[in-house]
Amino acid sequence: QSALTQPASVSGSPGQSITISCTGTSSDVGGYNYVSWYQQHPGKAPKLLIYDVSNRPSGVSNRFSGSNSGNTVSLTISGLQAEDEAAYYCSSYTNTTPVFGGGTKLTVL
Amino acid sequence: EVQLVESGGGLVKPGRSLRVSCRASGFIFGDYAMSWFRQAPGKGLEWVGFIRSKAFGGTTKYAASVKGRFTISRDDSKSIAYLQMNSLKTEDTAVYYCTRMDFWSAFYPDYWGRGTLVTVSS
Repeated sequence: QSALTQPASVSGSPGQSITISCTGTSSDVGGYNYVSWYQQHPGKAPKLLIYDVSNRPSGVSNRFSGSNSGNTVSLTISGLQAEDEAAYYCSSYTNTTPVFGGGTKLTVL
Repeated sequence: EVQLVESGGGLVKPGRSLRVSCRASGFIFGDYAMSWFRQAPGKGLEWVGFIRSKAFGGTTKYAASVKGRFTISRDDSKSIAYLQMNSLKTEDTAVYYCTRMDFWSAFYPDYWGRGTLVTVSS
């Protein structure tokens, strides 16, 4: 059982926007801004997409954005592209250690 | 270009030990904290532990699931991080990823290696 709760799957058509939610508690996502998101294509290593809830590392497309509201954080992908089909993981800190959501499989229809 | 290359994975029997290595290049290794993560087959990500840079004491911290069995160390002269795994259990079977933690906060793994598979089975 993962510490953070994500939907198992989401889907969208090319050009659309989708949002992946990640729900925790006041001890993790609700209590700290140390939230990050990772993209993982099959057989590949994860890639950092978002840190500090809504910041993008250099080189990450501005189609990816993060936000928070209470004990839930969200990743929005706009202008969906075929290459966005992947698994997405949220992460936060609790008691100074990182915890993850179970991952969300994004299918681009 | 930042590169992290893990090695040393393989098949090992329960109760035995294994050490995996992570060779880094493309950055000043000694300036960064390093972490290990793992991913069991078909499962999600799990943090294993990290080691701070020498400037911050080189101290380590571990997930509860591996504390007392796993040890992370570093050799800054060789730009290598190690993960020593003892008393291995079948549930330790996973791809183990070496990561560099971001410079400013050391909260985020900003670069990942490709991973090395560790299979614990009799």
